[in-house]
Order: sequence, then structure tokens, then C-alpha cells
Amino acid sequence: EPEVTQTPSHQVTQMGQEVILRCVPISNHLYFYWYRQILGQKVEFLVSFYNNEISEKSEIFDDQFSVERPDGSNFTLKIRSTKLEDSAMYFCASSDPGQGTHNEQFFGPGTRLTVL
Amino acid sequence: GQNIDQPTEMTATEGAIVQINCTYQTSGFNGLFWYQQHAGEAPTFLSYNVLDGLEEKGRFSSFLSRSKGYSYLLLKELQMKDSASYLCAVSNDYKLSFGAGTTVTVRA
Repeated sequence: EPEVTQTPSHQVTQMGQEVILRCVPISNHLYFYWYRQILGQKVEFLVSFYNNEISEKSEIFDDQFSVERPDGSNFTLKIRSTKLEDSAMYFCASSDPGQGTHNEQFFGPGTRLTVL
Repeated sequence: GQNIDQPTEMTATEGAIVQINCTYQTSGFNGLFWYQQHAGEAPTFLSYNVLDGLEEKGRFSSFLSRSKGYSYLLLKELQMKDSASYLCAVSNDYKLSFGAGTTVTVRA
């Protein structure tokens, strides 16, 4: 069964450093998303991406964040200058609204980011 | 804004039934999802409702009342492996807004 994959599974970085989190969505999906979950808190929407541009972004997704689809398979989230409060689990998800009507989002296993 | 409420914790006995309620007030609505999340893992899809009524899927059922902004997830014949967090999420323009999750503990 196709699945979303994410690398790395864990990332430790120093405050102020740049990090890039990588995702490979399900191959025939058209919509891509990033969510984050701070330990013990709810899953929060960051950004959605369709047709090579951002569809929607939340207040969390400020100028320090960017997304890119550099090729036909990868979808990346970059944090330019990490802060302590960026420590969280970051989930990538993808969906294909054309399949059925409910646009189920499939989540990857997550990247745990720790900022020291 | 989005406001999605669900109980923090529930405990039930193996073989029993548990009902997890979710109320929501959101600026848009394209449907309501329930996801299961084990600790340290990704959310996995359980059910989806967009019309009022009950959707049944094996041991899991989900109900929606759009006029009341209310949904519930019903877990029947509980098994130990059902111990997890259950997330209510409202879909709006292809993004999901999640509740804080309900941690269900199944006891032998």
C-alpha cells in the first residue's frame, strides 16, 4: 500500500540553524501539507500546497518557514533560523481530492525536531 | 476561528463500548474526520462524515449533526490495542483543524 515517507526521523539542531525536513508524498496525490505537534499538544496546520504554490498557510507559518517541491517526488519544509519553540513533531500529509469525495489526508511517520 | 472540543481522557474495560464526543465551531466545514494516534506515531484515518447521520465501519462508527456542531466516535468491543488518542478534525478548504484529542485507556 502506498505511503507517505519522511526523513529524517529525528533531527537535533542548534538554535539559529537552518533545517530542512523532507517528505515523499504518495505518488498520484496532488495536495501536500505540513502539520506540527508540540509534545502533549494538538496537531496544528502549517501549510497546504497545490499546483506548485501555497494554497493556504496558518499564522504559525511565518517568514522563517518555506516549502518547496524541488522535483516530482519530494516536498520539503525549511525553517531558516530555528527557535527553541520550533521543537515539535512535524508531519507531512498528502491527499487526492479526485479520489472519492472526502479528501482523506494520509500522514507520514513524522520528523521529531529538537532545537537546543 | 476554529474551536473543537473533546474530552481529555476516557477509560473503559476490554470488550466494552466507549463514545467520544466532539463539538465544533468553525468558520467553514467540508466534513469531519476521526483519526487514531498512538503515542509518537502519525495520525491514521478512521472515519469521515459530511452528511448528518451515522457511518459504520466494523467496530467503529461515527455520527454527525451539522446543525448542532456535534459528532461522536463509537468504539465497540474494545481491545487493548485500541488504547490510543482519538482526534476529531474538521476539514475546511483542504486543511484539517484538530481537537486536542481524547486519550482512551482500555483496561483488562
